[in-house]
Amino acid sequence: TQLLEQSPQFLSIQEGENLTVYCNSSSVFSSLQWYRQEPGEGPVLLVTVVTGGEVKKLKRLTFQFGDARKDSSLHITAAQPGDTGLYLCAGGSYIPTFGRGTSLIVHP
Amino acid sequence: NAGVTQTPKFRVLKTGQSMTLLCAQDMNHEYMYWYRQDPGMGLRLIHYSVGEGTTAKGEVPDGYNVSRLKKQNFLLGLESAAPSQTSVYFCASSSAPVETQYFGPGTRLLVL
Repeated sequence: TQLLEQSPQFLSIQEGENLTVYCNSSSVFSSLQWYRQEPGEGPVLLVTVVTGGEVKKLKRLTFQFGDARKDSSLHITAAQPGDTGLYLCAGGSYIPTFGRGTSLIVHP
Repeated sequence: NAGVTQTPKFRVLKTGQSMTLLCAQDMNHEYMYWYRQDPGMGLRLIHYSVGEGTTAKGEVPDGYNVSRLKKQNFLLGLESAAPSQTSVYFCASSSAPVETQYFGPGTRLLVL
């Protein structure tokens, strides 16, 4: 089983702050996905990264895939209360494995 | 186009009772998955299916059975519920294993 370690586990910040969350593994992934899960709902895909060194932007969210395709980061600029949720990374060569997630709370 | 739906939304069981959770998708996806989510544990794969009539074990299959008699439906059964099976259960589907997974809204199960 390919293990994905996410850090930090919890993050509580004020509106307007920047933050970065990480997803690390000792295994190489063919692709890695980031999902966001809001309270009481199922996860929703934010982005898929495929190429080592790839950077993708989604409004204020910037996703980076490590050169060796073993790790990824998610950076949020000027966080807003609407960014509150659980951020999950998932990767694998066949059936994806999910990390335990980073729970983010953005206070107004 | 409803995506992925799950029934029921919430259920309370007594230890030893049985129940079936139903997942339905209308996207013609081949792959379907059942996960459980517990605080601090992320999503753990229980069973999955790569097509109609097929099932396979995931990371935490013990105490659960599944069936995929129709392509659009994936059923998760608990034959004899235990308190350790108290959790939120999510179903998901995808067109291929590394493609986007579309999740249902979840079923909250409490086993007393």
